[in-house]
Amino acid sequence: NAGVMQNPRHLVRRRGQEARLRCSPMKGHSHVYWYRQLPEEGLKFMVYLQKENIIDESGMPKERFSAEFPKEGPSILRIQQVVRGDSAAYFCASSPPGGPLADTQYFGPGTRLTVL
Amino acid sequence: DAKTTQPPSMDCAEGRAANLPCNHSTISGNEYVYWYRQIHSQGPQYIIHGLKNNETNEMASLIITEDRKSSTLILPHATLRDTAVYYCIVRVANNYGQNFVFGPGTRLSVLP
Repeated sequence: NAGVMQNPRHLVRRRGQEARLRCSPMKGHSHVYWYRQLPEEGLKFMVYLQKENIIDESGMPKERFSAEFPKEGPSILRIQQVVRGDSAAYFCASSPPGGPLADTQYFGPGTRLTVL
Repeated sequence: DAKTTQPPSMDCAEGRAANLPCNHSTISGNEYVYWYRQIHSQGPQYIIHGLKNNETNEMASLIITEDRKSSTLILPHATLRDTAVYYCIVRVANNYGQNFVFGPGTRLSVLP
């Protein structure tokens, strides 16, 4: 059973460009979460999605950031007009819809975004 | 939201048990204690979780005090590959879903 997959693993963008980060949850998981980790800091929750729905985006910056989890395909975290402060590791996690581990999140390897 | 307090760093000799403490004095009755670890810059790895009973799996044991105000993660025979930052998290339930709040964690160094 493949784990959570994220791509690309490393992404370099110049200021003002767009960054698209993809996350494929574990098989059978219908809940996806995005976290950001700034250098030398802990993970910060950004957004929680189920298929075609944003459930909680309380940790998302109000501007330039958006997320989606379409019916088909991976979840996408999109950052428009990137700035140097967006440089960070972005982790995706997924959890199953039910069962004894329904509250447990399994993390992907992350995408390291560098803004030049 | 219940918060957790962990020592910033700990050392452990290879082959010995590593005991990582966590205080969560404001935990509420329906909140679970979760432990994750992050090795170098990899994604966090789930270790174990519990509500009020002690739990054990192939990775570790979790001991929760009777008043649930603190817990200890035990790695019975630490190896060099267990060197990581360990996060103790109390799960916050809100109206929308499952929000995990990561603190600074404990940086465990397993020494040869």
